[in-house]
Amino acid sequence: EAGVAQSPRYKIIEKRQSVAFWCNPISGHATLYWYQQILGQGPKLLIQFQNNGVVDDSQLPKDRFSAERLKGVDSTLKIQPAKLEDSAVYLCASSSGGIRETQYFGPGTRLLVL
Amino acid sequence: AQSVTQLDSQVPVFEEAPVELRCNYSSSVSVYLFWYVQYPNQGLQLLLKYLSGSTLVKGINGFEAEFNKSQTSFHLRKPSVHISDTAEYFCAVMVTGGGNKLTFGTGTQLKVEL
Repeated sequence: EAGVAQSPRYKIIEKRQSVAFWCNPISGHATLYWYQQILGQGPKLLIQFQNNGVVDDSQLPKDRFSAERLKGVDSTLKIQPAKLEDSAVYLCASSSGGIRETQYFGPGTRLLVL
Repeated sequence: AQSVTQLDSQVPVFEEAPVELRCNYSSSVSVYLFWYVQYPNQGLQLLLKYLSGSTLVKGINGFEAEFNKSQTSFHLRKPSVHISDTAEYFCAVMVTGGGNKLTFGTGTQLKVEL
């Protein structure tokens, strides 16, 4: 089966610009996650969707980050305006939705903010 | 809140030698435990997980880990490593009954040398 797809793979922008990332989860997976992985650190959960509803966005910097999952399938994560400290890899993951179900990760989008 | 400590940021080892990657966690409630591997420019892949039952868990690629509740540890082991095992390894915890949120450690870079 196809894995989690993400695009773009790489993005370079200047600070104060906006950027958007796209994620297509594994077909049929109800739960979708966005993680931020800063160099030298482990991934940190930004937001979790169950179908098209938000389950947890407690660590999402809501003044600049936004995410949506229209129709409960694809998702987009947006940063506006970007700061230097937003340079990181943004990972999307999906799971079937049951408790303790394995999360499958996409290859990530590497963002560099200059 | 829960946390994960991976004391070794880098572990160099010769091919065919055994290896142990250490993971300790802190949580006031019961947790599930996971090990993920990340190859360069790829997303995370699940190696193994402990949910309940036997404290010795076997995973893919010949890896195994043992859950030790009294020492709050979940160390990853492999009796004989291969060059292809060179990657970043992340330990993660998930609080039971707390949704599916994973909290990751900072990772251990395993470098297998000839």
